[in-house]
Amino acid sequence: GQNIDQPTEMTATEGAIVQINCTYQTSGFNGLFWYQQHAGEAPTFLSYNVLDGLEEKGRFSSFLSRSKGYSYLLLKELQMKDSASYLCAVRDYSGGYQKVTFGIGTKLQVIP
Amino acid sequence: GAGVSQSPSNKVTEKGKDVELRCDPISGHTALYWYRQRLGQGLEFLIYFQGNSAPDKSGLPSDRFSAERTGESVSTLTIQRTQQEDSAVYLCASSLSPQKNSNQPQHFGDGTRLSIL
Repeated sequence: GQNIDQPTEMTATEGAIVQINCTYQTSGFNGLFWYQQHAGEAPTFLSYNVLDGLEEKGRFSSFLSRSKGYSYLLLKELQMKDSASYLCAVRDYSGGYQKVTFGIGTKLQVIP
Repeated sequence: GAGVSQSPSNKVTEKGKDVELRCDPISGHTALYWYRQRLGQGLEFLIYFQGNSAPDKSGLPSDRFSAERTGESVSTLTIQRTQQEDSAVYLCASSLSPQKNSNQPQHFGDGTRLSIL
């Protein structure tokens, strides 16, 4: 099985940088995803990591350390529209198929 | 549109009634997932289909819940004898086969908001 932990809430200031952490425990790790979910909307894909290191995509970057079971999502130059929940999801290969498990999500509030 | 389509978008029904939720995945996506999301909560995995088979049904909360998929396309989630605790948003997602395309994310539909009176 999997155990995924991320903070439930964070607050950051417009224009600043925020880092959202995610730790996980899994026996057959095969990739980690970050999704953004605005209130009342469906999750949308942000990033994917399967190898150690940093993946940069515009204002958003995601980091992975497989040995530590750790990832973070870095949001730069925060904008008010970045207020949303950020979901960490881990893909695990076990029992002959791939399974994706979502964390509870981190609700980010961006303040002026 | 080319996205995941779910219907109905909203469903209000009385306790004890059966409901059927529908998901039309993106064409060519062999993997299909159902999740439940209660208000202010995270995504709760229900069931995963690879093609028309469901290798993982571990998330179905009780035997009142069932799902099927036909033609490697449309899926229906059925909840029998609904209870108030079933009130939630039910989200469907699809992706290319994770066995062949490990970096492919899930694409979500807008969900069905189910309210049990």
